[in-house]
Amino acid sequence: NAGVTQTPKFRVLKTGQSMTLLCAQDMNHEYMYWYRQDPGMGLRLIHYSVGEGTTAKGEVPDGYNVSRLKKQNFLLGLESAAPSQTSVYFCASSSTFRELFFGEGSRLTVL
Amino acid sequence: DQQVKQNSPSLSVQEGRISILNCDYTNSMFDYFLWYKKYPAEGPTFLISISSIKDKNEDGRFTVFLNKSAKHLSLHIVPSQPGDSAVYFCAATSGGGSQGNLIFGKGTKLSVKP
Repeated sequence: NAGVTQTPKFRVLKTGQSMTLLCAQDMNHEYMYWYRQDPGMGLRLIHYSVGEGTTAKGEVPDGYNVSRLKKQNFLLGLESAAPSQTSVYFCASSSTFRELFFGEGSRLTVL
Repeated sequence: DQQVKQNSPSLSVQEGRISILNCDYTNSMFDYFLWYKKYPAEGPTFLISISSIKDKNEDGRFTVFLNKSAKHLSLHIVPSQPGDSAVYFCAATSGGGSQGNLIFGKGTKLSVKP
């Protein structure tokens, strides 16, 4: 069972470059989320989606955009990467707002 | 301001003994609480949860206690095993889970020594 799959797992960007992180889930979950984890900061919600075609802002949405064109996919975009966006990004999905299933994470470094 | 606080960054326990991880919250609207466990280079995995209508929930070696008046919850692991060594995150949500936003604490790193 794949569960939640994130690609790429690692990426190094230069300041100002753009990139997209892809999250795919095969559990037919309605809800999907993007979190970032920074040392000493725990997990902070960037954006989330309550269904295909919907998105909403979380706690730290600035500098990111998201799209949910298909139920199984949730994309996180960085239009102009900044060093402050160096982090580990986790995608998650759920059938309720409570028990989330997380991917393995994507480590992004912005130089 | 942090709404979910885990004030102990780390905890070391001997194998076979009890591990107690603590979590405090400030938002009185929170009505559902969860614990997640995270190993290095992996995503967090759900461990156990509790609704605000209960004060205790047990699942095998794991028990979560909720003290609403103190806005405090704790996770007890008995007996602790070396495989329990991980970072544990406390999380909370409100509106019966309809808000779409789990608020996480910063985590406590548990080390269980053989």
